[in-house]
Amino acid sequence: GENVEQHPSTLSVQEGDSAVIKCTYSDSASNYFPWYKQELGKRPQLIIDIRSNVGEKKDQRIAVTLNKTAKHFSLHITETQPEDSAVYFCAARTSNNTGKLIFGQGTTLQVKP
Amino acid sequence: EAEVAQSPRYKITEKSQAVAFWCDPISGHATLYWYRQILGQGPELLVQFQDESVVDDSQLPKDRFSAERLKGVDSTLKIQPAELGDSAMYLCASSSGGAGELFFGEGSRLTVL
Repeated sequence: GENVEQHPSTLSVQEGDSAVIKCTYSDSASNYFPWYKQELGKRPQLIIDIRSNVGEKKDQRIAVTLNKTAKHFSLHITETQPEDSAVYFCAARTSNNTGKLIFGQGTTLQVKP
Repeated sequence: EAEVAQSPRYKITEKSQAVAFWCDPISGHATLYWYRQILGQGPELLVQFQDESVVDDSQLPKDRFSAERLKGVDSTLKIQPAELGDSAMYLCASSSGGAGELFFGEGSRLTVL
């Protein structure tokens, strides 16, 4: 079945450094790849997404890249700040009728001041 | 800003008891999702509705879980009987269509003793 693998499971960086989280997906028909940020005890919130017709998208300090051939996409956070500390989830949506969204296992990012 | 409403926020129950969770999606959103999130893991889709119809319930443990969205608006997820392994956060989400952004509710945290 469809599967999304996410790495690393935990990531600790110094404030101001960059953080990179990587995901791979199994369903080659996937066409939408969102990233969610979940702070402790709160709901997941969309921070950026990318569709399969583009290779890169950037929003201020956050960027996502997509390699459809390798079925791989990544989240890049530059100039990290303590408030970036949270759990980040990648997801992939299939292009079939249901548009099922499959999530990765999550990455706990800690930004040390 | 419109939000997905869920209740109760917290529920503690003993195993073998019945529990029910309620979700009211953002007005006008035709697609409604119930996800289960076990601590330290990514959300897992239990059931997806398009209006009042189930479009995916492949991961729903149908021997004990049921979900309905009778009028195509709000939805109820029921567990009977609850088991220890059901302890998790139950997240409801909605989107305007199968390809749209998912908006999550605050979740209902279930503890089964």
